[in-house]
Amino acid sequence: KQEVTQIPAALSVPEGENLVLNCSFTDSAIYNLQWFRQDPGKGLTSLLLIQSSQREQTSGRLNASLDKSSGRSTLYIAASQPGDSATYLCAVLRSNDYKLSFGAGTTVTVRA
Amino acid sequence: NAGVMQNPRHLVRRRGQEARLRCSPMKGHSHVYWYRQLPEEGLKFMVYLQKENIIDESGMPKERFSAEFPKEGPSILRIQQVVRGDSAAYFCASSPQTGTLNTEAFFGQGTRLTVV
Repeated sequence: KQEVTQIPAALSVPEGENLVLNCSFTDSAIYNLQWFRQDPGKGLTSLLLIQSSQREQTSGRLNASLDKSSGRSTLYIAASQPGDSATYLCAVLRSNDYKLSFGAGTTVTVRA
Repeated sequence: NAGVMQNPRHLVRRRGQEARLRCSPMKGHSHVYWYRQLPEEGLKFMVYLQKENIIDESGMPKERFSAEFPKEGPSILRIQQVVRGDSAAYFCASSPQTGTLNTEAFFGQGTRLTVV
């Protein structure tokens, strides 16, 4: 059974600081890993998808790395802004599976 | 191309009533997945459906919950005789014919069910 853990559960930083969000998973036989953003009372917005053969993906101020052998992924958000305040979810898809396993999320607050 | 559409966005039911949640997948997608998000928890898989078939319902509670994806129309998640513990956000995702989320997973906005 795949277990996904996100640390920390909550994070508060001043505007401009870089954010580092961690995700760990127990079964390294994954197909891909995806980071989502969830705003309060809203749905999930896909941020980055990393295939198992990739080491990282970048989109604008966001960079996600993947170390499959150690079961870890890190989401970096550069120069944080108040608009980055949200909950960030990590989800893993195991090989030969269709069910995503989600972490509980990291709730980020960026203070102006 | 509209995304995954869920309705209603918010649903309030009294204990013992029935709740019906609808999900229309993205155009061209014939596979639907339902997930539930309990307060302060991650999303948990409930059921995977193709048109007119339930492929995997291993995450569904054994009683009161059912799901369908008819040949025509949206997928329906039905909860009978709701209890307070059913209060949660229910999300739907869809994928194309391959049946695996091997590309970016697209989720709907969710239905927030509150049982009073």
